[in-house]
Amino acid sequence: GESVGLHLPTLSVQEGDNSIINCAYSNSASDYFIWYKQESGKGPQFIIDIRSNMDKRQGQRVTVLLNKTVKHLSLQIAATQPGDSAVYFCAENNSGTYKYIFGTGTRLKVLA
Amino acid sequence: DTEVTQTPKHLVMGMTNKKSLKCEQHMGHRAMYWYKQKAKKPPELMFVYSYEKLSINESVPSRFSPECPNSSLLNLHLHALQPEDSALYLCASSQEQGVDEQFFGPGTRLTVL
Repeated sequence: GESVGLHLPTLSVQEGDNSIINCAYSNSASDYFIWYKQESGKGPQFIIDIRSNMDKRQGQRVTVLLNKTVKHLSLQIAATQPGDSAVYFCAENNSGTYKYIFGTGTRLKVLA
Repeated sequence: DTEVTQTPKHLVMGMTNKKSLKCEQHMGHRAMYWYKQKAKKPPELMFVYSYEKLSINESVPSRFSPECPNSSLLNLHLHALQPEDSALYLCASSQEQGVDEQFFGPGTRLTVL
């Protein structure tokens, strides 16, 4: 399930299930989006990106969906594995400011 | 080499100390970034360098002073920091400043006593 509170929102999923992590972005002018994975004690690691002229992009076991109408981004992870446990951040960028703005993050916990 | 390296990994300093964080990349990237990340929070942009020139300063206090000596190196000079400056400092680089994939280093964990 998903919980939101004083701490990072956390999504707990069973190993082998699919995970969906959501992100609401703030700027309707943003035209480039990245999903990052950050493991404890490490820097963010690029997972997948999407430009605003697309609404879906697939990678290896991951899919990003973009809904510009409601300013929503999602990351789908197929067949979630223990190694997927981490904090996931979305980041938005617009070609006007060239600044990356990160979302609040979601902790993914994979249950054995 | 597709790596961004940062030194030191950990740093403890007093409020009167002067120290520097270092970042290096050999991917030929022309944009380099400093971010600050507090626990359980997303990275917050501090500075952007493009072609070795400061492009963005996100109203960062002057006790943080960035420097880009060449296209591969980025430093962050620290002086008279406050305990609330304790955080993970992340360096990143991208091919150009723009809508481009950023590569992050592992960060320097800074503690100000």
